[in-house]
Amino acid sequence: QKEVEQNSGPLSVPEGAIASLNCTYSDRGSQSFFWYRQYSGKSPELIMSIYSNGDKEDGRFTAQLNKASQYVSLLIRDSQPSDSATYLCAVNLRGAQKLVFGQGTRLTINP
Amino acid sequence: EAQVTQNPRYLITVTGKKLTVTCSQNMNHEYMSWYRQDPGLGLRQIYYSMNVEVTDKGDVPEGYKVSRKEKRNFPLILESPSPNQTSLYFCASSGQAFGSEKLFFGSGTQLSVL
Repeated sequence: QKEVEQNSGPLSVPEGAIASLNCTYSDRGSQSFFWYRQYSGKSPELIMSIYSNGDKEDGRFTAQLNKASQYVSLLIRDSQPSDSATYLCAVNLRGAQKLVFGQGTRLTINP
Repeated sequence: EAQVTQNPRYLITVTGKKLTVTCSQNMNHEYMSWYRQDPGLGLRQIYYSMNVEVTDKGDVPEGYKVSRKEKRNFPLILESPSPNQTSLYFCASSGQAFGSEKLFFGSGTQLSVL
């Protein structure tokens, strides 16, 4: 089992709809969770971080964490074409000196 | 402006010719790291450094070297590049232990080894 796993997609969503991106992780003791957005040919940029169970909202973005199920998700409301990018889930594994990234989900928003 | 500066942006070289990719940050960050990104494999850590003169291997360190002589600089060295090191490389830094604060990424280096 991969330490951090995402569906690589591509995920296609119509403009204005909700895009839902999912990530599972293997280490039950993980404490810190991040979502990065990466446009083609560019470097990743942090869009959300979450540390405790439940939802965290920031504008059109909502991160959801369920530690019991070892699951973290990112919802993008009112999707825009500018949201088309690859979204990387990253998890700070307990006791490890590193942040582990999933392989990323490519999201396309169709006008 | 807070930033991680990585050079060069593109690099084409031949097998066996030593090269260095430079990375510098202006945020006084203690933690710095190198990643490579390949299609379908995501970001994989090559080496990281917790402070000056403190470096350690990541998940894919073979064929790479690093040094941390100054806090701001963390160069990646390929002593004898091979075609399987063709990849997109990113340098990143963080002000605290990597997992508790966001990573700042450089703009990336696209390396092709012929």
